[in-house]
Amino acid sequence: GQQLNQSPQSMFIQEGEDVSMNCTSSSIFNTWLWYKQDPGEGPVLLIALYKAGELTSNGRLTAQFGITRKDSFLNISASIPSDVGIYFCAGQLLFGNQFYFGTGTSLTVIP
Amino acid sequence: KAGVTQTPRYLIKTRGQQVTLSCSPISGHRSVSWYQQTPGQGLQFLFEYFSETQRNKGNFPGRFSGRQFSNSRSEMNVSTLELGDSALYLCASSRIQLEPHSDGYTFGSGTRLTVV
Repeated sequence: GQQLNQSPQSMFIQEGEDVSMNCTSSSIFNTWLWYKQDPGEGPVLLIALYKAGELTSNGRLTAQFGITRKDSFLNISASIPSDVGIYFCAGQLLFGNQFYFGTGTSLTVIP
Repeated sequence: KAGVTQTPRYLIKTRGQQVTLSCSPISGHRSVSWYQQTPGQGLQFLFEYFSETQRNKGNFPGRFSGRQFSNSRSEMNVSTLELGDSALYLCASSRIQLEPHSDGYTFGSGTRLTVV
């Protein structure tokens, strides 16, 4: 199957700091999604990206669809304690019928 | 609007037993996908059902099977359980068959399976 490399694996930051994470693939994807998973819950969709170069925001979150279509980026500005969780990227190949998930970035925010 | 409902939330089984997990998708969603989540492997795709037909299958042994009913509810079955099957099993539903421009899935809260 497709391999999505997500980095960093984990982050420990102070409240108020900005966060950046990324996801790369060896294949070209047609759709990129970013999810957040709280402990004991299923992932929740944060942002969906459909076009190369697209930049989309959702509150303090901003995600970009890489120009090469092989990567995507997620930024969180002014982090707060409730941002704690695991963030996953997911990609879909053109005409693909499943999503491939990254291994996740675990975010810890220190008050 | 009710979300994706998975039952049970927690399950403890003994090695060698079999287990059935249930997923009720969001009303109107016809596609149901199943994932296994473990700390080391992340989210691994098991299979997807649409209109009672399995459309896609991941790289799992035949002990893992599923089905979908006419009301779009889905069940997943694991036979001859092994210790390594301990994981969070997530179900995700989407409105239609996944197409290139899709907003992905809505996940349930999962079933935590522990095999002892």
